Amino acid sequence: EDQVTQSPEALRLQEGESSSLNCSYTVSGLRGLFWYRQDPGKGPEFLFTLYSAGEEKEKERLKATLTKKESFLHITAPKPEDSATYLCAVQGQGGSEKLVFGKGMKLTVNP
Amino acid sequence: NAGVTQTPKFRVLKTGQSMTLLCAQDMNHEYMYWYRQDPGMGLRLIHYSVGEGTTAKGEVPDGYNVSRLKKQNFLLGLESAAPSQTSVYFCASSPLGGRHSYEQYFGPGTRLTVT
Repeated sequence: EDQVTQSPEALRLQEGESSSLNCSYTVSGLRGLFWYRQDPGKGPEFLFTLYSAGEEKEKERLKATLTKKESFLHITAPKPEDSATYLCAVQGQGGSEKLVFGKGMKLTVNP
Repeated sequence: NAGVTQTPKFRVLKTGQSMTLLCAQDMNHEYMYWYRQDPGMGLRLIHYSVGEGTTAKGEVPDGYNVSRLKKQNFLLGLESAAPSQTSVYFCASSPLGGRHSYEQYFGPGTRLTVT
């Protein structure tokens, strides 16, 4: 069974204090790993897809990396507007179109 | 493009009442999904569809039914609502094929309370 574990569950940072969010996964053949951002009261917003170990993608202050067992979302010099819940999801090769989501990680960036 | 839209945004039901949640997408996506999101549980897949006229069960399908009569619409029905179905419901869609296949795009959600 495909599984996703995100850590920490919550993280508080000061503005400008860089950090990383972890997403560990077990999947029967990775088809893709997805990162989403979710603001309170809104639907998840797509950020990145990573397909193979060693792949990296960047968007503004966010950088996502992938290994065979985990993915990291690095946040460089965060701003208060980066405060949100970040979700990680995987899709396996098991012939299904379904994503398996982690429980999310709530990031708070204080000014 | 409006992307993925959901109707209604909020709803309060009494136990035993029925309702239908409507999801519409204008991106010509083949796949559509219904999730529920509960505190501490993350997003859980209820039902999904891989094309017009098709539906399949997800992780938590009991108590829900779905229909995909048109490619752009995906309906989620609750025949007899229960308090355990109090949740936030999200619809999503994704394209078939190509580099961006399976990237899911979400609607704004429907907050349902069953009393």
